[in-house]
Amino acid sequence: GESVGLHLPTLSVQEGDNSIINCAYSNSASDYFIWYKQESGKGPQFIIDIRSNMDKRQGQRVTVLLNKTVKHLSLQIAATQPGDSAVYFCAELRDDKIIFGKGTRLHILP
Amino acid sequence: NAGVMQNPRHLVRRRGQEARLRCSPMKGHSHVYWYRQLPEEGLKFMVYLQKENIIDESGMPKERFSAEFPKEGPSILRIQQVVRGDSAAYFCASSPQPQGLTYEQYFGPGTRLTVT
Repeated sequence: GESVGLHLPTLSVQEGDNSIINCAYSNSASDYFIWYKQESGKGPQFIIDIRSNMDKRQGQRVTVLLNKTVKHLSLQIAATQPGDSAVYFCAELRDDKIIFGKGTRLHILP
Repeated sequence: NAGVMQNPRHLVRRRGQEARLRCSPMKGHSHVYWYRQLPEEGLKFMVYLQKENIIDESGMPKERFSAEFPKEGPSILRIQQVVRGDSAAYFCASSPQPQGLTYEQYFGPGTRLTVT
């Protein structure tokens, strides 16, 4: 079965505010996680990744936090823009396979 | 450098027909992965191939589905005798030889299969 999942299926955020998308995983041996963005009608697009020897990693407007104690990771998007509207998946790399969670749809409110 | 290409983008088949989905990886990539996505779901791994070799097919249904990645040409996902439950988006991803601290698969735009 799946080992990664997301807490909320839909998240609505005001334009300009920060977005936080959460994800839980069950396998304490998991050591590599990836966040993907999927826009309507397109394939997933890599956003950012993190290994288990890190607690935090930052990219352009995005930050991923990993809490190994509670097996939780989150994606933070700063100053959310209309172009951020998409479905976001957390995923785990296991044996060269990417295991996807179900996704959170991010709605941007004007 | 062109990205991962998939064709056709949309495919309609009647029950019992065959569906052939093609994937051309990014230039220089020798690893190909196929995933299936049902509506409102995440992607599910199907098969991992390298040139002329199937590395991991643990996500492939045992019957009617097959995949290949020949020495020349695109990777092909073949579904024989399609049924309505095969209707989904099929995504291909490619990667170079994984190395270093970053591992990334590049996804194509997908083929949306509809079985009528």
